[in-house]
Amino acid sequence: QQPVQSPQAVILREGEDAVINCSSSKALYSVHWYRQKHGEAPVFLMILLKGGEQKGHDKISASFNEKKQQSSLYLTASQLSYSGTYFCGTVMDSNYQLIWGAGTKLIIKP
Amino acid sequence: DAGITQSPRYKITETGRQVTLMCHQTWSHSYMFWYRQDLGHGLRLIYYSAAADITDKGEVPDGYVVSRSKTENFPLTLESATRSQTSVYFCASSNSRGSYEQYFGPGTRLTVT
Repeated sequence: QQPVQSPQAVILREGEDAVINCSSSKALYSVHWYRQKHGEAPVFLMILLKGGEQKGHDKISASFNEKKQQSSLYLTASQLSYSGTYFCGTVMDSNYQLIWGAGTKLIIKP
Repeated sequence: DAGITQSPRYKITETGRQVTLMCHQTWSHSYMFWYRQDLGHGLRLIYYSAAADITDKGEVPDGYVVSRSKTENFPLTLESATRSQTSVYFCASSNSRGSYEQYFGPGTRLTVT
């Protein structure tokens, strides 16, 4: 039931765009996105809820395709500070717990 | 200071010893969680708590014990530490299981020799 993230890793030049995907084989209630920098705790980025509601940072863009049970995180005009590992977490029901993906490592080079 | 704190930040212990990791939050969040993070496995839920005196198992609970006598504290105890429990442990809190963001503590790096 663990969501599948792709790609596993991506290397970008500063200013380039990236898309990170998260997919589940189960119907989802919500998808969560977090970023973790090396040696630090994960930090919340965004929640996308079934029905279209989104909660999160204004500078983060993401989508949630309820029919395909897929979510994508869009990182545009990447900055060095975007480097880290991005985790998606999926929730099948509002009363269920978060199940985490294995993460996508993003490296931004100057 | 407001937030979620963990102690100790680093711990080295021997196989067979009992170890307790502390977690304290000041937001009065009802839910608290313990995760372990190992290279290549992402975050795995050990135990969670919906409120004081209500706890439940997560994905990998074997070898761990939790308690929650007060809303703000959620200690995790390794009753008899094993080398396979060497990991980074994160505590988190939230207002729900899945509808709201989780706030993570800084983590405890535990090494079992």
